[in-house]
Amino acid sequence: GIQVEQSPPDLILQEGANSTLRCNFSDSVNNLQWFHQNPWGQLINLFYIPSGTKQNGRLSATTVATERYSLLYISSSQTTDSGVYFCAVPRDQTGANNLFFGTGTRLTVIP
Amino acid sequence: NAGVMQNPRHLVRRRGQEARLRCSPVKGHSHVYWYRQLPEEGLKFMVYLQKENIIDESGMPKERFSAEFPKEGPSILRIQQVVRGDSAAYFCASSSQRGNSPLHFGNGTRLTVT
Repeated sequence: GIQVEQSPPDLILQEGANSTLRCNFSDSVNNLQWFHQNPWGQLINLFYIPSGTKQNGRLSATTVATERYSLLYISSSQTTDSGVYFCAVPRDQTGANNLFFGTGTRLTVIP
Repeated sequence: NAGVMQNPRHLVRRRGQEARLRCSPVKGHSHVYWYRQLPEEGLKFMVYLQKENIIDESGMPKERFSAEFPKEGPSILRIQQVVRGDSAAYFCASSSQRGNSPLHFGNGTRLTVT
């Protein structure tokens, strides 16, 4: 099956710093999503981004499908950004949401 | 608009009992997915259902686990004769169409087997 790797596995930031999280995948995909799991366990969909760049406030994401990677940028980090960030891609070519999740990047933002 | 609603939030079962987890998708969504997250691990796909049909159950354990999404009512994930290894967070998610649409998660049901 498809392999999804995320880096770094852990990241500690001072409040206000910027960061880039990376997601590499081993096969072509037609659907890539980024999720944030907060310290209470809730999973929030940040981006649906099969290709190109999207921005939402302090967060933005870029997927380069031809090179099989996606990046999540967090600018001016806040303590509420803490949690685990997952990228996920489909298990098959239908683009359905039966997804493979990466192992995640655990972000801790220190005040 | 209500998001994906799961209940119960927490469920404690003794070994050998049955666990029933319920999920109501986002209003208007007919595609439902169940995922499991073991402690300190990522999410693993279990099953994909679309009203009354199981589309993909390749992630479901072969025994004791079943899922349904009836024409009326919530989706149900059923675990028979639970064992300690079933302790995990079970997340339900929904999307508006089969492909090319974002996935929205519920808050999960945390199952503890004693």
